[in-house]
Amino acid sequence: DTEVTQTPKHLVMGMTNKKSLKCEQHMGHRAMYWYKQKAKKPPELMFVYSYEKLSINESVPSRFSPECPNSSLLNLHLHALQPEDSALYLCASGGSTDTQYFGPGTRLTVL
Amino acid sequence: AQKITQTQPGMFVQEKEAVTLDCTYDTSDPSYGLFWYKQPSSGEMIFLIYQGSYDQQNATEGRYSLNFQKARKSANLVISASQLGDSAMYFCAMRVIGWGSGGSNYKLTFGKGTLLTVNP
Repeated sequence: DTEVTQTPKHLVMGMTNKKSLKCEQHMGHRAMYWYKQKAKKPPELMFVYSYEKLSINESVPSRFSPECPNSSLLNLHLHALQPEDSALYLCASGGSTDTQYFGPGTRLTVL
Repeated sequence: AQKITQTQPGMFVQEKEAVTLDCTYDTSDPSYGLFWYKQPSSGEMIFLIYQGSYDQQNATEGRYSLNFQKARKSANLVISASQLGDSAMYFCAMRVIGWGSGGSNYKLTFGKGTLLTVNP
């Protein structure tokens, strides 16, 4: 089973709202990732968690706050976002072969 | 610096024909991995095929094969017998080592992608 799930599929929020994106994997993978993808561009890495600890933060603004409650779950908390943060947010997990498996993504619109 | 180059912004192919999507890479690491992903308009990134730098044979997965030419630093994706459902964006990616406050971890660096359209 190579499934990674993400909720919600679509999210519209105002600049003063607080919202969260959720990601779940049941493949026993040790690493989980958040990516941001703008239209017609490749995904850009935001965060990497390894064994539930934050391993890499690619200089992401603090209005994005990741959290890894356990080895299967990864959250991305959003607060005071800007319209330019509107994008597709992809979660991925990776195991010993280092192949990353992606979820279906959350399409975020910030008004 | 590690870099992936996809020089074909768009490609067209007739249904049932084969198509090759180009990918070249640059790295000084002797150990690396190369991946191809498919992204339909729905947005999900679908893993297609993987080639390790030490693999002696070209990777194959069903209708997908990877033409790995190490000396030329190329890793082209070949799709045989194209189907209408193959219409999508295709990304070539390379596994690189990333470093952060929490230590090191593998991460992917992506090319800009090739938009493939399969015509009936």
